[in-house]
Amino acid sequence: NAGVTQTPKFRILKIGQSMTLQCTQDMNHNYMYWYRQDPGMGLKLIYYSVGAGITDKGEVPNGYNVSRSTTEDFPLRLELAAPSQTSVYFCATLEARKLFFGSGTQLSVL
Amino acid sequence: GESVGLHLPTLSVQEGDNSIINCAYSNSASDYFIWYKQESGKGPQFIIDIRSNMDKRQGQRVTVLLNKTVKHLSLQIAATQPGDSAVYFCAENKGSNDYKLSFGAGTTVTVRA
Repeated sequence: NAGVTQTPKFRILKIGQSMTLQCTQDMNHNYMYWYRQDPGMGLKLIYYSVGAGITDKGEVPNGYNVSRSTTEDFPLRLELAAPSQTSVYFCATLEARKLFFGSGTQLSVL
Repeated sequence: GESVGLHLPTLSVQEGDNSIINCAYSNSASDYFIWYKQESGKGPQFIIDIRSNMDKRQGQRVTVLLNKTVKHLSLQIAATQPGDSAVYFCAENKGSNDYKLSFGAGTTVTVRA
């Protein structure tokens, strides 16, 4: 039981490039989340999903897109990377009001 | 949660001493609170939770105290060990139908040998 798996662990992008951060879970949890964590800061919610086919914006959705075609996968898409998107990104699932986090993707946009 | 002057971003504690980490939450409607621990290079992990109908809850070496009057939450770690060095976050939830937890800024705990 791997829990929440994120790939890649590290990535460097040039301004304007696009990429997809992958997140997959094997716990059959309906709720999934994407957070970003800037240095010395708390977690900010980007997008979340309450089930396959349903997504909604969080606090800081601008510059990102998500999709949820299956219960297991919840990819986060950056279309035109900007330096302000340099951050650590965490995917999480929710069960019994507790979040289960992946190990994160460290993204730098230069 | 927002700080009301009780939240310290860093805490240095001697190994073996007790640690107290404070958190002020912002929403009086919140009925569920969680503490997470984040070690360097890892995602946050659940430590302990408490519901608003309780004032205190104990786990293994950890105790959470809730003061709803002043909207304050604290995490106490007994006999702090080097493995307790991490960033600690409190999170609040406004009800079982609220699927979004709000996180505080975190407190970095450093354990001195």
